[in-house]
Amino acid sequence: QQQVKQSPQSLIVQKGGISIINCAYENTAFDYFPWYQQFPGKGPALLIAIRPDVSEKKEGRFTISFNKSAKQFSLHIMDSQPGDSATYFCAARGLRRADKLIFGTGTRLQVFP
Amino acid sequence: AAGVIQSPRHLIKEKRETATLKCYPIPRHDTVYWYQQGPGQDPQFLISFYEKMQSDKGSIPDRFSAQQFSDYHSELNMSSLELGDSALYFCASSLLGGDSYNEQFFGPGTRLTVL
Repeated sequence: QQQVKQSPQSLIVQKGGISIINCAYENTAFDYFPWYQQFPGKGPALLIAIRPDVSEKKEGRFTISFNKSAKQFSLHIMDSQPGDSATYFCAARGLRRADKLIFGTGTRLQVFP
Repeated sequence: AAGVIQSPRHLIKEKRETATLKCYPIPRHDTVYWYQQGPGQDPQFLISFYEKMQSDKGSIPDRFSAQQFSDYHSELNMSSLELGDSALYFCASSLLGGDSYNEQFFGPGTRLTVL
């Protein structure tokens, strides 16, 4: 049973376009929601994260939108670049700061010039 | 900035052999997590340690064991290796005692191939 559901599985975007990846969760005990970027054969790299007490967080071209009542959150990549082509994972973590991360199934993003 | 160091980066073993993976967390980080990632899959949590004590345990086979040492580095020991153990193994570290969200930073991983 996937505790964090992620869609789409793959995404193709033109350079300069907006990439949008969505995640949904069921466990209301989740209290921290990071996004990771992973290139083939590399470790996941933390991109941006949000807590449920805010509805949006922006860092550069990356924005997280969070809807607590719907238990959904999404990653928006503005002005997508070929260098953004990677697999993106959303994740969730419980209330305990030492809790493990539970990942979504990943989205493979391809940005074409 | 210093990152998480994992060794070896690649490891090839035969079935039923033993493997030891090492993880050196970011300096001053006190918590280490181990994750396993199969081909095309998301990382799955195995086990974590805080201040050298086991903090949480996930779907880690009984054939695997791990520990965190006094210098905070961690080792994942895998015995009686099976073909299905072939995967990328990531270590992540975090600073539990800080003011941050306790972000987890991942190492480059160890690619284990069991033949």
